[in-house]
Amino acid sequence: GIQVEQSPPDLILQEGANSTLRCNFSDSVNNLQWFHQNPWGQLINLFYIPSGTKQNGRLSATTVATERYSLLYISSSQTTDSGVYFCAYGSGNTGKLIFGQGTTLQVKP
Amino acid sequence: NAGVTQTPKFRVLKTGQSMTLLCAQDMNHEYMYWYRQDPGMGLRLIHYSVGEGTTAKGEVPDGYNVSRLKKQNFLLGLESAAPSQTSVYFCASRTGWGKNIQYFGAGTRLSVL
Repeated sequence: GIQVEQSPPDLILQEGANSTLRCNFSDSVNNLQWFHQNPWGQLINLFYIPSGTKQNGRLSATTVATERYSLLYISSSQTTDSGVYFCAYGSGNTGKLIFGQGTTLQVKP
Repeated sequence: NAGVTQTPKFRVLKTGQSMTLLCAQDMNHEYMYWYRQDPGMGLRLIHYSVGEGTTAKGEVPDGYNVSRLKKQNFLLGLESAAPSQTSVYFCASRTGWGKNIQYFGAGTRLSVL
């Protein structure tokens, strides 16, 4: 199957800083999602972004399917942004999600 | 609208015991999934269902069974729990058409001693 690699594995930021998280794929994918897992374990959909760019408040995401990567931008980070960020792609007709190993983000006040 | 509800939230089992995790969704979704998450890893698919009465194996199905007798419910069973099944279990659902956007429950934290 297609391999998913996320970088960096860990990230520590000061509140107010910006960051970029990356997701690389070993082959082209036709759908991609970004999730945030908060410190309580809840998985929250951030973006469904098979291609192009989307923005939602301080977060934005860009997927370049032909070059097999996606980026998640967090601007003016807040402590509530802490947690683990996963990218995942939907595989086959059943759409089962294949996850990367995640980027753990800690935002310090 | 509750979305995807998982019960129980926490459970401790002894090796060899059995239990069933329940996932219920009120969004009339066709597809439902069970994933497990181990420390420092992303989620891995255990079993899934593309409709009432159907189930199929995912990446890590050994030691688990599932049933989808009603469209809104997807049950995950452990017949004889092992310490290797200590994990956090997530259920998800989605529609059977359009964008593949999956909605997740809050998770069940299971410890097998």
